[in-house]
This record gives sequence, structure tokens and C-alpha cells, in this order.
Amino acid sequence: DAKTTQPPSMDCAEGRAANLPCNHSTISGNEYVYWYRQIHSQGPQYIIHGLKNNETNEMASLIITEDRKSSTLILPHATLRDTAVYYCIGTGRRALTFGSGTRLQVQP
Amino acid sequence: DAGVIQSPRHEVTEMGQEVTLRCKPISGHNSLFWYRQTMMRGLELLIYFNNNVPIDDSGMPEDRFSAKMPNASFSTLKIQPSEPRDSAVYFCASSSGTGGTGANVLTFGAGSRLTVL
Repeated sequence: DAKTTQPPSMDCAEGRAANLPCNHSTISGNEYVYWYRQIHSQGPQYIIHGLKNNETNEMASLIITEDRKSSTLILPHATLRDTAVYYCIGTGRRALTFGSGTRLQVQP
Repeated sequence: DAGVIQSPRHEVTEMGQEVTLRCKPISGHNSLFWYRQTMMRGLELLIYFNNNVPIDDSGMPEDRFSAKMPNASFSTLKIQPSEPRDSAVYFCASSSGTGGTGANVLTFGAGSRLTVL
């Protein structure tokens, strides 16, 4: 399973784009990158996933570098409700394994 | 759809007592997962089922923990006897698809907060 590395915390101003980085240099060719978030005391929530192409949905955009060693989750217009822990996960043989994630604090 | 339903939402019990946590996955989902979350250890996968069959239980801490999925719409996680170190939030999640990317799109329940005194 690919090991992922994320900064422990980040701040973002409300209304601005939040760019959350993730390093996954050991990811193999068929492993996807998944992003989840966990708002305080709630269960984790799926955001988006991708393999090699950039992806966008109603929640966020996912930019994966051409060498697939890193990716960035973009919340285009962060709101206070986006304050949460964001997890970047590389898939593997086992079910999803969550690391410590990035705690994003959106400031008013 | 009501989502993944877990019960009880909160449980306070004394050391040595049996605890049973329950989960109803989303209808049509064929994979079910149990996770445990603590401040010290984060979110840990305990066990997951596919088509009601346990696939990977390597995360189950010890023999005091057991999980069953008697049918596609119900699963239990049992701790007997419970200990203070079992205090945590236990999440159940479900997904559809086997081997495809959908299998990793998990929908989580609201969690069961367990406190063992």
C-alpha cells in the first residue's frame, strides 16, 4: 500500500482556495489516490479519487502530478464548514487505511 | 436512503461487561467495514466483510473482539469482556463494488462512542 505524507495542519481564509498537498512517492501504477475528510465528531466523508488524470466534482478538484508522486486537493472557495481533517489515502490490497491527515482550519 | 445506521450512539459501561455495537449498511452495498478511532491511534481498520464474509480481520485487537455479519443488512461488533482501553468511537462503513474503485468509496455511519469505566 502506498505511504502518504501530509502536513499536519493548514490555515485558509474563508472564500479563498484551499490547496491541500499529499506526497505518495511509493504509489504503484494501479493504485488510486482517495481523499476523505472528517468534520469534528462525525464519520469520515468521501470527497474524490483519481488515478492519473485530474478530477473534479461538486466538492473539490484533484490535481495529480504527471509522475503520480504527489497530488493536491483543491477546495475552490473554502467556507467555515470546510474546517475538518483531510485524509489522503493510497489504495492497496487492504481496505482503506487512514493516516493522521491534515487539519484544515478555515478562518473567517 | 437513511445512510449507514449505527446503534447505540453512546454507551457507557463498566469494565468486564459485554458490549455489542450494531450496524445497518446501506441497502445494496456489499462491503462493510468496522473502524475504531482514538486520539492516540487515530482511525484504525478493525475488520471488513465482503458479501457477508470476513475478508480481513487482522486489525481486530485481540480475542475479546468479535464481529459478525449474519446477513447483508446487519452486522455486530462485540467486546467481551470490555476494558477501559477499549474506550473509543467505533465507526461502521459500507461500500458497493468488489475490486473496482467503488469499493473504496465508503459511506460512514455517525459512530458509536464507547466509554468503559
